[in-house]
Amino acid sequence: EAGVAQSPRYKIIEKRQSVAFWCNPISGHATLYWYQQILGQGPKLLIQFQNNGVVDDSQLPKDRFSAERLKGVDSTLKIQPAKLEDSAVYLCASSEGTQGTNEKLFFGSGTQLSVL
Amino acid sequence: KQEVTQIPAALSVPEGENLVLNCSFTDSAIYNLQWFRQDPGKGLTSLLLIQSSQREQTSGRLNASLDKSSGRSTLYIAASQPGDSATYLCAVTPGTASKLTFGTGTRLQVTL
Repeated sequence: EAGVAQSPRYKIIEKRQSVAFWCNPISGHATLYWYQQILGQGPKLLIQFQNNGVVDDSQLPKDRFSAERLKGVDSTLKIQPAKLEDSAVYLCASSEGTQGTNEKLFFGSGTQLSVL
Repeated sequence: KQEVTQIPAALSVPEGENLVLNCSFTDSAIYNLQWFRQDPGKGLTSLLLIQSSQREQTSGRLNASLDKSSGRSTLYIAASQPGDSATYLCAVTPGTASKLTFGTGTRLQVTL
């Protein structure tokens, strides 16, 4: 079974530039999550999609971050403009059903972003 | 606001030792608790999921326990191996939402 695919693996940009990350969840998984993991901290949920609808984006800095999941499959996360404090690993995860509360999450390898 | 704490932040043990990792959370109204493993430069792998009605879960050399009333969970690793070296994170799911709240992790190194 193919896992959660993310790209790019690494990205280095200057502050105020824009950047986009891509995620392809496990085939058939209804729920998709984007997490931000700052060095030395646990992951923090940015946004959760159920099919192509947003379930939770309460911790997404909407003035600069945006995300979409067209057709309920792939997803992109964009930062525009980036700040130094956005340097982190951005993890995508998916789970099979729509009742995410008791489901196992499968994570991708993440995109490591460095903002200079 | 739910806060999850993991102690110690780092741990080094010789191969073969049994060890315990600790996780505590401030709000006992959780739906479940999960333990994850994270290898350097990689994503997270789910190890064990304990429902709020359960006391423990076992998988191979791993055993996780949950005491909701005291807000604590432990991950027991038996007969540790160098391949167990990784960061271990616990995460809780609040009772009314599916948003996982993660701890900061315990970085484990098992030496030869």
